[in-house]
Formats: sequence, structure tokens, C-alpha cells
Amino acid sequence: QKEVEQNSGPLSVPEGAIASLNCTYSDRGSQSFFWYRQYSGKSPELIMFIYSNGDKEDGRFTAQLNKASQYVSLLIRDSQPSDSATYLCAVNFGNEKLTFGTGTRLTIIP
Amino acid sequence: DTGVSQNPRHKITKRGQNVTFRCDPISEHNRLYWYRQTLGQGPEFLTYFQNEAQLEKSRLLSDRFSAERPKGSFSTLEIQRTEQGDSAMYLCAGRGLDTDTQYFGPGTRLTVL
Repeated sequence: QKEVEQNSGPLSVPEGAIASLNCTYSDRGSQSFFWYRQYSGKSPELIMFIYSNGDKEDGRFTAQLNKASQYVSLLIRDSQPSDSATYLCAVNFGNEKLTFGTGTRLTIIP
Repeated sequence: DTGVSQNPRHKITKRGQNVTFRCDPISEHNRLYWYRQTLGQGPEFLTYFQNEAQLEKSRLLSDRFSAERPKGSFSTLEIQRTEQGDSAMYLCAGRGLDTDTQYFGPGTRLTVL
């Protein structure tokens, strides 16, 4: 069974620091990887996607992918209180649908 | 705003009643997905459509669940004889032809009493 694993947290990070969120997945043949942010009671909002090994940067966000280690991470620089949310890692295992982890709850401490 | 809308946003029903949810993606979304999310869990895949064709259904989708996308535009998800275990957020996502990315609507929160 194809699985996505995340530490559920909570992860507490001081305002202005770097938040590091991690995700592992079960299938080396996986094709695409996504990070969604979800505020309480709201639907998932796409933050970043990454397809190739290495880093991808978008503003304060950097996604890192290591297919050999089956590991994808999200770094949030200069963390803001508005970044407090649950971050969902999702993987397309090549079968159309997304498989999600349980999410990591991030709290930014002012 | 992803352009994907869902109605109703909230639904409270009594056990045994039937409910129907609607999802309206943008015109570019030839693929449409339904997911279910319970508290503390990530979304779980239910079914998806490419245009009007329903191409895959999860084992989570019991016989009480049915989904349609009659003209390849909006989609409906119906739950018959609701049970308390059906209480969840039902999420719809759209995806265009030239992208792998799914964009979610605001969801419909179902509470079965």
C-alpha cells in the first residue's frame, strides 16, 4: 500500500525563525509531490509542488525533494504568525489521485 | 480563490436521510476529484472524473455513495441512508489538462446526527 508519513506535531517555531516540515513516502516510482496549507475549518490551499530532485524556492517557501531517500520537505523562512496552520504533504504515485499524509500542525510563536 | 465552488458549505442531517452535494469547477478542469477528510486526518480519495467519465472509485465509496458529472462540468455526490460515520468534510478538487496540480474548493461539512 502506498503511504505518506508526516509527524503530526505540534511543531512550535519562534516568529522569524525557519520552520522545517518533513514527509516520507513509500514508493520510489512516485512522480509528483505537493505541499498544501490548511487552516482550521478550511480546505487545503496549494503552497508548492515539486517534481525533480533538489530544491525549489518560491518566496519564503522552499521545497526539497530527495527521491533516493523518498523524502520531501518544506522550509518556511522568516516564519509569521499567519503561517500557523496544518501542512499537508501529498504524493501522486502515478495513479491520478493524491495520497495525503495526516499533516503537521505548525504554530508560530510571536 | 481557486475558482472551485461547493454547495452547500454546511449540512446537518439526521441518520438515515439522503444528502447531495454539488461541486462546480472552472471550465479548464477536465478532471474532477472527490475526497473526504475527518478530524486529524488528511483527505482521502473517493472518486474522480475525466470529463463526464467516472474513472476510479475508492473502496471507501460504499454502495450508499454515488457521484455523477453529467456534462463534464459540475459534479454531484449523493449519500443515501446517511450514518454517523459519514460525518466529515467532503472536498472537491479540479485539475486541468496540462497540469498535475489539484485545486480544492471550500468543502462541504456534513454532520449526521
